[in-house]
Amino acid sequence: DQQVKQNSPSLSVQEGRISILNCDYTNSMFDYFLWYKKYPAEGPTFLISISSIKDKNEDGRFTVFLNKSAKHLSLHIVPSQPGDSAVYFCAVPGRSGGSNYKLTFGKGTLLTVNP
Amino acid sequence: DTGVSQDPRHKITKRGQNVTFRCDPISEHNRLYWYRQTLGQGPEFLTYFQNEAQLEKSRLLSDRFSAERPKGSFSTLEIQRTEQGDSAMYLCASSLSGRPYEQYFGPGTRLTVT
Repeated sequence: DQQVKQNSPSLSVQEGRISILNCDYTNSMFDYFLWYKKYPAEGPTFLISISSIKDKNEDGRFTVFLNKSAKHLSLHIVPSQPGDSAVYFCAVPGRSGGSNYKLTFGKGTLLTVNP
Repeated sequence: DTGVSQDPRHKITKRGQNVTFRCDPISEHNRLYWYRQTLGQGPEFLTYFQNEAQLEKSRLLSDRFSAERPKGSFSTLEIQRTEQGDSAMYLCASSLSGRPYEQYFGPGTRLTVT
């Protein structure tokens, strides 16, 4: 039973345009949502997070939006750059009744930004 | 380099052999995690240490798997009697107590069981 779902395995955008990566979750008890980025041959890197009490968090070119009623979050990258090409994972900490320190990841979306 | 390091980066072993991986976390991080990632999947939690105490183990961690973190510094993950299904990327991560969700990952150890 997947707690976080990333339904798009891949996304291709042109340099300078907006990239929108989506994630759906099942449990309304999650209090934090995170995005990680992974380049080939490297471990995932923390990118940005959002608390469940907020609906938007911005950090430079990266903005995460949270829609609690729809149990949906999205990561916007504006403008997209070729160096953003990577696999993006959404993640949630723990699960209802369990530890809040382990992360549960989605399957990831491969973003390709074309020059 | 003060990031998380893992050794070896690659390991090829025959079915039935034992393997051991090492992880050196960021020095001031007291929390250490092991994850496993297979092709097309996100990382899956295996186990978690706070200092030297192993506080949680996933059901994915069968009896053939054991992890230690002596003295609360580096950690080892041992797999006994390896099976082909153990082939995966094994990732180690560490974090600070006050920011447990921001986990810093190492580059991983890719295990191939033939």
